[in-house]
Amino acid sequence: GNSVTQMEGPVTLSEEAFLTINCTYTATGYPSLFWYVQYPGEGLQLLLKATKADDKGSNKGFEATYRKETTSFHLEKGSVQVSDSAVYFCALIHSGYALNFGKGTSLLVTP
Amino acid sequence: KAGVTQTPRYLIKTRGQQVTLSCSPISGHRSVSWYQQTPGQGLQFLFEYFSETQRNKGNFPGRFSGRQFSNSRSEMNVSTLELGDSALYLCASSSIQGAVNTEAFFGQGTRLTVV
Repeated sequence: GNSVTQMEGPVTLSEEAFLTINCTYTATGYPSLFWYVQYPGEGLQLLLKATKADDKGSNKGFEATYRKETTSFHLEKGSVQVSDSAVYFCALIHSGYALNFGKGTSLLVTP
Repeated sequence: KAGVTQTPRYLIKTRGQQVTLSCSPISGHRSVSWYQQTPGQGLQFLFEYFSETQRNKGNFPGRFSGRQFSNSRSEMNVSTLELGDSALYLCASSSIQGAVNTEAFFGQGTRLTVV
């Protein structure tokens, strides 16, 4: 079946550091891939998406590239801020109905 | 454009009771999905409705049920509550392109505590 694996957290970084959160997936065919972010006490917000191989999704300084050959969709940001502290979820949708989520990666950015 | 609205935000119920949660999707979105989020199991898919029909269902017992109305609003019901049902319940709405859902937009969730 479809599944998503993302790196375990928590990840702690200093402000302005470079961020990478690894995400790999298992699915037949060509799923759509997403990164969602969850701030404390809130629901999920869509951060970025990619719907086909080699697509790059980007938003608010975050980027992720859909790599079919390595079945990966790693999240990156060049310079994190304290306000980026949150839990990040990688997800896929395939056959159109339901999202499969990774376990989530908690990010803490310190001043 | 209003987002996805879930009510209530917080609920405390006693074991054995039942509960109904409500979700109003983004205007024009006809697909509504429900997810359960717990620290141990993460985000798990409950079910998805489109045009008042359940199209897909996750691996949850029959105590979990849902429905969708003609205006696309959805409710989920949990009967005979157990302590393990304590969770954040998230509703998501999507538009449809062809036969598949586009990206999902989530509400703020309903935090259910069973005591």
